[in-house]
Amino acid sequence: EVQLAESGGGLAKPGGSLRLSCEASGFTFSDYTMNWVRQAPGKGLEWVSSISRTSSYIFYADSVRGRFTISRDNAKNAMFVQMNSLRGEDTAVYYCAVSQRSIGSFDIWGPGTVVSVSS
Amino acid sequence: DIQMTQSPSSLSASIGDRVTITCQASQDINNYLNWYQQKPGKAPKVLIYDASNLETGVPSRFSGTSSATDFTFTISNLQPEDFATYYCQQYDSLPYTFGQGTKLEMK
Repeated sequence: EVQLAESGGGLAKPGGSLRLSCEASGFTFSDYTMNWVRQAPGKGLEWVSSISRTSSYIFYADSVRGRFTISRDNAKNAMFVQMNSLRGEDTAVYYCAVSQRSIGSFDIWGPGTVVSVSS
Repeated sequence: DIQMTQSPSSLSASIGDRVTITCQASQDINNYLNWYQQKPGKAPKVLIYDASNLETGVPSRFSGTSSATDFTFTISNLQPEDFATYYCQQYDSLPYTFGQGTKLEMK
């Protein structure tokens, strides 16, 4: 069974940093593009970042480019996002999702981890 | 960026009803569109992929159609477990974008 599990969320101050992790199981992790998608409280879904199988291609939403860095470790079946210079508008549930069918299709999601940015 | 205009934003319906949600893309997305269901406190789940294909294990009362840049999601014979929020999402080009969501509530 495909499973994704995010961790690393918590409370950070504006300007602070957090590193989220996504651990994968039940599929060949190195075969698929991985993604981060977030959802602010009471709001809709927003794509954040994607990383290709071998990390050759990395993409970011304009809202996080220059502040967030996505990475992956295929040997550990894990993906990460380093979030720096956090802002209040980064407060959200952060989901990792795998694109198994098509790149950009978020086929399986983790349960999410909560990030709160507040002073 | 491709804008996905989803309507309505909310919808009240009864068990057994047929409900329809629409999504309009601001440009051609080559049917690279998913429909997701999200229940409170849970992650979204794909119901329809490539505009009209039913995800494995999803009941056949869910369906999707397309016509150029207009996409329709239909639930026939609404069941109690279908009350949730639904989103469309295009994956034709970056940045990947979602519709605003439709909250389906019990009448």
